[in-house]
Amino acid sequence: GDSVTQMEGPVTLSEEAFLTINCTYTATGYPSLFWYVQYPGEGLQLLLKATKADDKGSNKGFEATYRKETTSFHLEKGSVQVSDSAVYFCALSDRGSSNTGKLIFGQGTTLQVKP
Amino acid sequence: EAGVAQSPRYKIIEKRQSVAFWCNPISGHATLYWYQQILGQGPKLLIQFQNNGVVDDSQLPKDRFSAERLKGVDSTLKIQPAKLEDSAVYLCASSFGSGSRRSTDTQYFGPGTRLTVL
Repeated sequence: GDSVTQMEGPVTLSEEAFLTINCTYTATGYPSLFWYVQYPGEGLQLLLKATKADDKGSNKGFEATYRKETTSFHLEKGSVQVSDSAVYFCALSDRGSSNTGKLIFGQGTTLQVKP
Repeated sequence: EAGVAQSPRYKIIEKRQSVAFWCNPISGHATLYWYQQILGQGPKLLIQFQNNGVVDDSQLPKDRFSAERLKGVDSTLKIQPAKLEDSAVYLCASSFGSGSRRSTDTQYFGPGTRLTVL
């Protein structure tokens, strides 16, 4: 079945460091790809998304490019802030023949940014 | 615009007791999802409604879990009887449509209900 694999956490960075969180997926159809973020004590929020190969999603300085050839959707940010400390989830939504729109999530990666 | 509302935010029960969670989706959203998020894992879909009909309940433990969405708006998720392994955060999400090939429906999540089973 469809699945998402994220890099193990926690990831600890100093403020202004470069961030990469790896995400790879397995899907039989043509998925849309998402990054969700969960700040402490809050619900999941959509960070960015991409719906087809080579699309780049971006928001709040974060970017991710849909790479069909490597089945990847890595999250990057050039300069992290303490306020970016959160848990980041990569997810896919299969839009194939059995599409129901449900999201399949990775296990999450905790990011801690130190001043 | 009001977001997805859930209640209660926290619940502590003993095993074999029953519990119910409530969700009010964003107004006008036809699709409603219940996810279970166990500590240290990503959310996993339990059940999906399109209006008041069930689209996918393949991962719902039907011997103990039930859910309904009367009138295609609010939804309740019930566990009876609860087991220790049901301790998790239960997330409700909603989206505008059915997620067709042309649609990139975004799911909007509520704050979740944290359930602890002792």
